[in-house]
Order: sequence, then structure tokens, then C-alpha cells
Amino acid sequence: DTAVSQTPKYLVTQMGNDKSIKCEQNLGHDTMYWYKQDSKKFLKIMFSYNNKELIINETVPNRFSPKSPDKAHLNLHINSLELGDSAVYFCASSLGGGTGDEQFFGPGTRLTVL
Amino acid sequence: TQLLEQSPQFLSIQEGENLTVYCNSSSVFSSLQWYRQEPGEGPVLLVTVVTGGEVKKLKRLTFQFGDARKDSSLHITAAQPGDTGLYLCAGDVQGAQKLVFGQGTRLTINP
Repeated sequence: DTAVSQTPKYLVTQMGNDKSIKCEQNLGHDTMYWYKQDSKKFLKIMFSYNNKELIINETVPNRFSPKSPDKAHLNLHINSLELGDSAVYFCASSLGGGTGDEQFFGPGTRLTVL
Repeated sequence: TQLLEQSPQFLSIQEGENLTVYCNSSSVFSSLQWYRQEPGEGPVLLVTVVTGGEVKKLKRLTFQFGDARKDSSLHITAAQPGDTGLYLCAGDVQGAQKLVFGQGTRLTINP
């Protein structure tokens, strides 16, 4: 059983399109995250949700909108995609909201904007 | 400006050699984690250090947290090709409610 799953694994799209990435965790965790990893492998937090409530919203363009329908799911919708959005996006979860907790990462979604 | 600086960024050595990777900052961390990431996968936690001066061992890997809780090191003894991967340190900045990651060290162990 996959602990944290993301779909799709790969996403290739044109500039200006709108796309969504889905994330699900079956660990019973309260907190979920979205990270962006750029071409230099730098991993940076975008959002975190605790039990469906937004906790962290880093200085991310408002073209990015996370949605948490329940605490097991955190989806990421991106409007008007730009070239600079190309990256690997990771979903993660942790048991509680403490940042010292172990974070369990999904396999990543490689987004390529042409 | 990176909050967490890892060095070296790239390291390629022969099997059997020892190596040390450093993670440095001017900030104090409540805790610090080390993750390992394989190509095409997400990072996986190796260890969390919490107390200044703490040393943790995981088989051939030794992790140390600095006395002032601003830096950490990862030492690998007798490196194996299976140790190849991207090693990331991540600090839990006091009061920031988030993990801040270093830029990673890409380690290659040649047979």
C-alpha cells in the first residue's frame, strides 16, 4: 500500500493552460504539504494544511491554489501555467503539525511547461 | 540567501572511502533532519537530531548536531555504491512552523 500517492507522475503541458495535481495519504496524518523542487534540487515548501485548514502559504503566486476536501487529500491547481513553473512537485504528510515530525513524501509529479 | 548551506554540493568517491557532508546555518534549529532522495522518488527520512551535541548512528552513517544547534554533519564510513543519492538536511526553524531544506549533496559512490 502506497503511503503518499500523487497523480499524475508526469505532466507536460503548454503555457497558459490550467492543470491539477492530486495527492492522497493513507497514513491517517493530520498535516499535508506541497513542496516544489527546482532543477537544482532545491526543495521549498509552498503550502501546508492541518486537518483541512491552511497553515502555511509561502510567497507563492496566486495562480497556485491548494484544496483539501478532507484531511487525507490535498490537491494543487495551477492556473495560467508559465515556463518557470516547470519543476517536480512533491506532496508530503506528517502525523501532527509539529515541524519536527517526520514527513512522508510522495513520489513527485514532474511538471514540464512548454 | 540560503538559510541552510550544505557542502559539498557534489561528491564522487570510490567504494570503501569515508566522507563527511556538512549542513551549516546562522540560525538556531529546534531540530534537524537528514533525508535521502533517490532519482524519481521523494525524500525519505534518515534521522532527526534534537539535542545540541547529539550523535546518532545508523549502521555506517553517523549524524551529529552542533552544540549550538546551528549545524550538523553526516559521516559515512566505508561508503558503498548503495549509498549513492541526494542527501538533504532540513531544519525546523524555531517559531517558523516549517522545515527549511538545504540545497542537497549529490553523492556518487563508484564501485
